[in-house]
Amino acid sequence: DAGVTQSPTHLIKTRGQQVTLRCSPKSGHDTVSWYQQALGQGPQFIFQYYEEEERQRGNFPDRFSGHQFPNYSSELNVNALLLGDSALYLCASSLPGQGNDGYTFGSGTRLTVV
Amino acid sequence: QQQVKQSPQSLIVQKGGIPIINCAYENTAFDYFPWYQQFPGKGPALLIAIRPDVSEKKEGRFTISFNKSAKQFSLHIMDSQPGDSATYFCAARVEGGYQKVTFGTGTKLQVIP
Repeated sequence: DAGVTQSPTHLIKTRGQQVTLRCSPKSGHDTVSWYQQALGQGPQFIFQYYEEEERQRGNFPDRFSGHQFPNYSSELNVNALLLGDSALYLCASSLPGQGNDGYTFGSGTRLTVV
Repeated sequence: QQQVKQSPQSLIVQKGGIPIINCAYENTAFDYFPWYQQFPGKGPALLIAIRPDVSEKKEGRFTISFNKSAKQFSLHIMDSQPGDSATYFCAARVEGGYQKVTFGTGTKLQVIP
């Protein structure tokens, strides 16, 4: 049973560029949440997608946007990259009503902005 | 806004020792408190979790102590092993909500053989 799959694993971008990160949820999960984890910090909630709509959003600027597809996979897009966007981006999938123990993280995408 | 405060930032113990990691929260709406373990290059993995209606929960060598009145909780690792060396995050969420998890800042644990 595949867990949460994220791609790519590593990425280097230049300031001002745009980036798209991808996430395939665990089989049977229909909700995807994205987190940003800066070096030495805990993950910070970006937003959550359910039924192809953004359901909740953390304190991140509009440069961060997302999308969920009918197969529940999701993309995170970041425009006009800043050096401070360098971080590990984590995707977590879950199933409403399954309980908190079902909240599963992927291994993340390491984004470096130069 | 740091809603979950965690200490210490790092911890070194000898094999067999009992590292203790402490956390405090502010939002009284939180009603589920998980601990995550993260190895380098991996995402956080759920280790153990507690709800505020109990004061202690044990799973194997891991124990959570919870003090609802003080809004504090802690993780104890009994008989620690070198394989326990990882970063540990306490967290909190509102169960039944949109499943957003609020994390602490993390504790990097090193267990020396």
